[in-house]
Amino acid sequence: LAKTTQPISMDSYEGQEVNITCSHNNIATNDYITWYQQFPSQGPRFIIQGYKTKVTNEVASLFIPADRKSSTLSLPRVSLSDTAVYYCLVASSPYSGGGADGLTFGKGTHLIIQP
Amino acid sequence: DTGVSQDPRHKITKRGQNVTFRCDPISEHNRLYWYRQTLGQGPEFLTYFQNEAQLEKSRLLSDRFSAERPKGSFSTLEIQRTEQGDSAMYLCASSSDRGFIYEQYFGPGTRLTVT
Repeated sequence: LAKTTQPISMDSYEGQEVNITCSHNNIATNDYITWYQQFPSQGPRFIIQGYKTKVTNEVASLFIPADRKSSTLSLPRVSLSDTAVYYCLVASSPYSGGGADGLTFGKGTHLIIQP
Repeated sequence: DTGVSQDPRHKITKRGQNVTFRCDPISEHNRLYWYRQTLGQGPEFLTYFQNEAQLEKSRLLSDRFSAERPKGSFSTLEIQRTEQGDSAMYLCASSSDRGFIYEQYFGPGTRLTVT
């Protein structure tokens, strides 16, 4: 299991780009990197997943360096509604008999966006 | 697509009573997961199903916890002889073979309070 380390909290302002970095020094060859967002009293919501280099979708980008020992979730032009907890998950598929270690969420990063 | 639904949304019970929660996944999703989340922590994985088969249950917190998914559709999570430490949010999620490995869709959760 590739354990992850994220900042406990971050602050930013509306309109800024926010980058949240996750460290996963023990990442394995078959591991994927997935990010979730969670608002209070709601279940987490899938944001993005990647394996290497850069992945972009309509809400975020995920940057993964060549050594894959860290990853950065980038949120462009944040708004107040982006205030949430963001979780980084790192693991290989649990569906090939490797167990469900990848379904372990840490404490996440509490992102607070101010006006 | 009506999303993942959970019932009830809130449950208050007395210590020692049994409780059962229901989860209805997104209809075409063949995988279903149960998590527990306490205040300030990320979701804690409990168990998951692929169709009707329970592929991982070693993370269930004790033998008081059990889950079923008859016919591969809805699922139930039962807690017997509840304890105050069982008070938490219980989250259900589902996913499809066609999505990203960890692209899970979460329900709104059932908040359990044991008095």
